[in-house]
Amino acid sequence: EVQVVQSGSEVRRPGSTVKISCKVSGHSFTDFSIHWVKLAPGKGLEWMGLVHPEDDDTMYAEKFQGRVTMTADTSSDTAYMELSSLRSEDTAVYYCATITAVTPNDYWGQGTLVTVSS
Amino acid sequence: QSVLTQPPSVSGTPGQRVTISCSGSTSNIGSTTVNWYLHVPGTAPKLLIYRNNQWPSGVPERFSGSKSGTSASLAISGLQSEDEGDYYCAAWDDSLNAWVFGGGTKLTVL
Repeated sequence: EVQVVQSGSEVRRPGSTVKISCKVSGHSFTDFSIHWVKLAPGKGLEWMGLVHPEDDDTMYAEKFQGRVTMTADTSSDTAYMELSSLRSEDTAVYYCATITAVTPNDYWGQGTLVTVSS
Repeated sequence: QSVLTQPPSVSGTPGQRVTISCSGSTSNIGSTTVNWYLHVPGTAPKLLIYRNNQWPSGVPERFSGSKSGTSASLAISGLQSEDEGDYYCAAWDDSLNAWVFGGGTKLTVL
């Protein structure tokens, strides 16, 4: 059984940086692309980008380019998403997921709440 | 404004059939496949349909997906109270080089 477990809630000041982890177990980590999805209060799901653990290749949504860094550590089967220059609009639940267009191998973490507040 | 357009809300009574539409363009739905997700607040989104009309293991067949041109739809038959939540369509967009989600449709079972 595939399990995706994310790190716990974070509180950050505006202008700071947050780094969230996402550990995948029960399947070969490098078989997946790890996506990050934002769910802000009162808003819908928003795709932020992805990282391919096999080669560390990344793709970022234009909106987050320059502020987000996604990485993957194959030694621990863990992906990371770092978001910098935080502002109040970044307050949201962030999910990691193995989204795919062609297979049912679509697994989501439990979500990590990031609160940005002064 | 989401790239994929969904109605903000739909409702139905138990046992009824409802449909949720998802309108896109030639760079997303028109050129690739569509996933459908259910998100119940406080839980992780769950894949209901992949590749337009395929069911992941464990998803009942009263959820069905279809696609025509640049639009897709999700039909839910035999509506149950536990079907309440927010439904999202999603697809890859070739122009944006990004996955795009619909704005979400809140389903209420009356």
